[in-house]
Amino acid sequence: GAVVSQHPSRVICKSGTSVKIECRSLDFQATTMFWYRQFPKQSLMLMATSNEGSKATYEQGVEKDKFLINHASLTLSTLTVTSAHPEDSSFYICSAVKTGRFDTEAFFGQGTRLTVV
Amino acid sequence: GESVGLHLPTLSVQEGDNSIINCAYSNSASDYFIWYKQESGKGPQFIIDIRSNMDKRQGQRVTVLLNKTVKHLSLQIAATQPGDSAVYFCAENNAGNMLTFGGGTRLMVKP
Repeated sequence: GAVVSQHPSRVICKSGTSVKIECRSLDFQATTMFWYRQFPKQSLMLMATSNEGSKATYEQGVEKDKFLINHASLTLSTLTVTSAHPEDSSFYICSAVKTGRFDTEAFFGQGTRLTVV
Repeated sequence: GESVGLHLPTLSVQEGDNSIINCAYSNSASDYFIWYKQESGKGPQFIIDIRSNMDKRQGQRVTVLLNKTVKHLSLQIAATQPGDSAVYFCAENNAGNMLTFGGGTRLMVKP
């Protein structure tokens, strides 16, 4: 199957700093990537849709100025958590959509555990 | 809004038994459903999918059943093994390839 690499897997940062998370599709091109957030024992919540070459589409309640998304190439999307606060501590997961000849499928990164202290 | 949800938050089964995880969805226009397995600290892994023109699909040790009449989806795992212990999510693929996830069920396999 296709591979999506997410980096870093864990990060601890100080309150007020910014953290960048990368999501790469290693063996396919993805015009669309998604960013999710997951709190403990809860489901994945879609934060935003990242489209290559255009602005991301954010879900209601997600601050676009706080969660900056850049999808500069067909294999890379980045999520930057700006001015991080302890309440931003969470598990962040990206997925990349692979469009085949007959079907499309979403592949997930390994996730990033962000802890803001 | 539309949502996908699960009936049971935790399911505990004996090794070797069959497991059934249920999911209800509310968007009757959804035509594609996916089950994911998520182990602790990792991203979701695809298990099996089903389109709305089918009511059953089988994989290796797993079967997904779709009942469109009552908008219900289930995942059956045969001969459950300790390695099956994880959280299982159903997801609904709607317009634009966006996924809406259910709440998740934690499967615990007792040796």
